Amino acid sequence: DAKTTQPPSMDCAEGRAANLPCNHSTISGNEYVYWYRQIHSQGPQYIIHGLKNNETNEMASLIITEDRKSSTLILPHATLRDTAVYYCIVRAASGGSNYKLTFGKGTLLTVNP
Amino acid sequence: GAVVSQHPSWVICKSGTSVKIECRSLDFQATTMFWYRQFPKQSLMLMATSNEGSKATYEQGVEKDKFLINHASLTLSTLTVTSAHPEDSSFYICSARGGSESGEQYFGPGTRLTVT
Repeated sequence: DAKTTQPPSMDCAEGRAANLPCNHSTISGNEYVYWYRQIHSQGPQYIIHGLKNNETNEMASLIITEDRKSSTLILPHATLRDTAVYYCIVRAASGGSNYKLTFGKGTLLTVNP
Repeated sequence: GAVVSQHPSWVICKSGTSVKIECRSLDFQATTMFWYRQFPKQSLMLMATSNEGSKATYEQGVEKDKFLINHASLTLSTLTVTSAHPEDSSFYICSARGGSESGEQYFGPGTRLTVT
């Protein structure tokens, strides 16, 4: 049972920023927010993760609200190759030898030319 | 990011036969590996978790005698689908994580299994 809620689909124009929301109102203090994406018929690709602070890497930015109950993944300049299903996942911090990524249904982002 | 490979990328087998899928971490040592299954238009479902040198931990509803998992080294895990049936046809994806505190988990490209 996924702990996150995402819109099933979104559209974005090529070259524009894509802002993908995620609600995780039951997140615990030691749980991180992870984002992965899956292009059709491929394995998921790690994008970014964060705990409290906003994070940025070469792929995207992650904005986490102060109460940590929601977050937004931002692809600053979407391209056609960014069309994929985007998964927002919460997971306990490392410390145990096993921790699981539980995938929900994600958001299908379609980038249009 | 780290690279995880799977072999084969696709396989077709006859009902009743067994199929082995390999998962390798190419540039890091994977202390834990995970096996997922994905049916068409559905999300990934975790099947089992394995630590190097230990028995795999299976998720509820996954038959451990049918889906044999071996994690014999820090870079290799195998999933064997025994006595495959058409309903086992699916996209099987492995994932691996190292022992660092960073927490990233990397996925293989997946193996498409078709049982005829």
